[in-house]
Amino acid sequence: EADIYQTPRYLVIGTGKKITLECSQTMGHDKMYWYQQDPGMELHLIHYSYGVNSTEKGDLSSESTVSRIRTEHFPLTLESARPSHTSQYLCASSGPGGTSPLHFGNGTRLTVT
Amino acid sequence: SQQGEEDPQALSIQEGENATMNCSYKTSINNLQWYRQNSGRGLVHLILIRSNEREKHSGRLRVTLDTSKKSSSLLITASRAADTASYFCATDARRRTGTPLVFGKGTRLSVIA
Repeated sequence: EADIYQTPRYLVIGTGKKITLECSQTMGHDKMYWYQQDPGMELHLIHYSYGVNSTEKGDLSSESTVSRIRTEHFPLTLESARPSHTSQYLCASSGPGGTSPLHFGNGTRLTVT
Repeated sequence: SQQGEEDPQALSIQEGENATMNCSYKTSINNLQWYRQNSGRGLVHLILIRSNEREKHSGRLRVTLDTSKKSSSLLITASRAADTASYFCATDARRRTGTPLVFGKGTRLSVIA
């Protein structure tokens, strides 16, 4: 198993709350990613970063933001959660080069009531 | 739009049988990767095949790539109940250097003991 950690594992919150999903990796990877996945469905890229102070939006429109102040840490923040944000959020990282595989965390399953 | 599309969406076989999953993609690629996802967990990298390779083996896995048809297949031989999972192909678009991987919709494999 890869050394990439996501917390919390499960989260149930009310509409309008601000939340931060944590992701950390101990592999020294420059590249990190956030994907959103509904159960049993495809993954959608929402944010990615190729290094400290570098972040990009992915293909999926999202009301979330990310920051990359340290190499090992890539938190995802929802300023005002909505029921449509209910999903699984997967964090991943990869090493240098174009053929490095992605290492995924076990995800945060978010439910917004 | 998604780069990769897996086929079939779901597959149910008996233990010991072979499982074949297919992936089609739309644009030229540098490489294609296959990942496995157990229920409620993150994805795990299985194998990578470069665009100049036609076939690759890893244990009970065999991957083929046909760039003229923009398709790939993943064969799992002598399947086991522990192979029950979802399998995703992922591609990087050659025309955009550094583009993050785009995942297909996945094939849900059930291996019945």
